[in-house]
Amino acid sequence: ETGVTQTPRHLVMGMTNKKSLKCEQHLGHNAMYWYKQSAKKPLELMFVYSLEERVENNSVPSRFSPECPNSSHLFLHLHTLQPEDSALYLCASSQWIGANYGYTFGSGTRLTVV
Amino acid sequence: GQQVMQIPQYQHVQEGEDFTTYCNSSTTLSNIQWYKQRPGGHPVFLIQLVKSGEVKKQKRLTFQFGEAKKNSSLHITATQTTDVGTYFCAGPEAGNNRKLIWGLGTSLAVNP
Repeated sequence: ETGVTQTPRHLVMGMTNKKSLKCEQHLGHNAMYWYKQSAKKPLELMFVYSLEERVENNSVPSRFSPECPNSSHLFLHLHTLQPEDSALYLCASSQWIGANYGYTFGSGTRLTVV
Repeated sequence: GQQVMQIPQYQHVQEGEDFTTYCNSSTTLSNIQWYKQRPGGHPVFLIQLVKSGEVKKQKRLTFQFGEAKKNSSLHITATQTTDVGTYFCAGPEAGNNRKLIWGLGTSLAVNP
């Protein structure tokens, strides 16, 4: 199994739908992250979890709701999204929380909001 | 706010030519990381530099961290088609070690 697995790879949803993105890491890492990648913008940090505790919420709209039931799993629950939320959503993990550790990214979920 | 800038934004080279991308931070960094993202792929961690003036090599890739720890470079010798992708640098946000500040990346195209 690859280090960080994300599902689904692609998702098309209407603005009134509710969907969830899933991330699972098999590396024994203690920190997990959600990032948003849009064209012509730097990678945007959304949420940070350390040992299942949310330690950073980067001013993300409430229509994005993260969940971390254990140190291996991370979810991003989506509801009433806007077309401008269409992007590549990347999950990442690192040995410990912090910018001193290299991140391992999943393959991402390509989200299209219609 | 703190910024990390990369130049050039795009680069086309002939296979076998060398390539260099530069990363400049508006603040001093405790470390700098480099990632590569292939087209349609996800960022993959390449290396982290920590010391002032540090130089590290990975086969044809040479990474440098500036003396003032505000800039860095990635040099690829004799590019190959497998080098195609976008190269990102990232460094910790000043005063918040939990967050990386990312550059926009340099997209490299290699003509065979």
